[in-house]
Amino acid sequence: DIQLTQSPSFLSASVGGSVTITCRASQDITSYLVWYQQKPGKAPKLLMYATSTLQSGVPSRFSGRGSGTEFTLTITSLQPEDFATYYCQQVKSYPRTFGQGTKVEI
Amino acid sequence: QVQLQESGPGLVKPSQTLSLTCTVSGGSISSGGYYWSWIRQHPGKGLEWIGYVYYNGNTHYNPAVESGVIMSIDTSKNQFSLRLNSVTAADTAVYYCARGAEWLGFFDPWGQGTLVTVSS
Repeated sequence: DIQLTQSPSFLSASVGGSVTITCRASQDITSYLVWYQQKPGKAPKLLMYATSTLQSGVPSRFSGRGSGTEFTLTITSLQPEDFATYYCQQVKSYPRTFGQGTKVEI
Repeated sequence: QVQLQESGPGLVKPSQTLSLTCTVSGGSISSGGYYWSWIRQHPGKGLEWIGYVYYNGNTHYNPAVESGVIMSIDTSKNQFSLRLNSVTAADTAVYYCARGAEWLGFFDPWGQGTLVTVSS
């Protein structure tokens, strides 16, 4: 199985600031990486796929980069609604696996 | 737009069978190109992919949870289902159904999730 390790697990930030979350894969997944946002009590919401393609309706302050085994999700100009937990997921192979999550707190 | 909704008991006794159904609205479950999937989240934990069922009934399960898992699809009702046999407390989780994109692999949309507690 491909293991995904996110760092950090917790992140404190301020409204208007920016954050970067890293997702490292245990083997090469080329660009087969997806990011989700989850708020308490809600289902995860797709943010972007294929490393950097924003899902329709997702603000451009979200961006993704990377390839191979290291990927990043960056959020600039943090808004109150961005405080949530973020998960990466690999779609290179089965079983599909997720990172352990990064909680972005105020 | 496509919406998914899980339904089923919220409490299951140990050693019994967990059964959940996902009803799809706003689109046909019979159209190819999507893997109809189940994902769970243990309380306060991360996400675990359980498996998928394709419109033609083909299935693929996560080996970590494969024992006791059966997924099926009912195209006439636009529903797909999860059965997990011989559950234990470790199967207590929020269960989500989701549509998986065949080629791009992402899950979207998701159902709202349903908490299933395994307890006597």
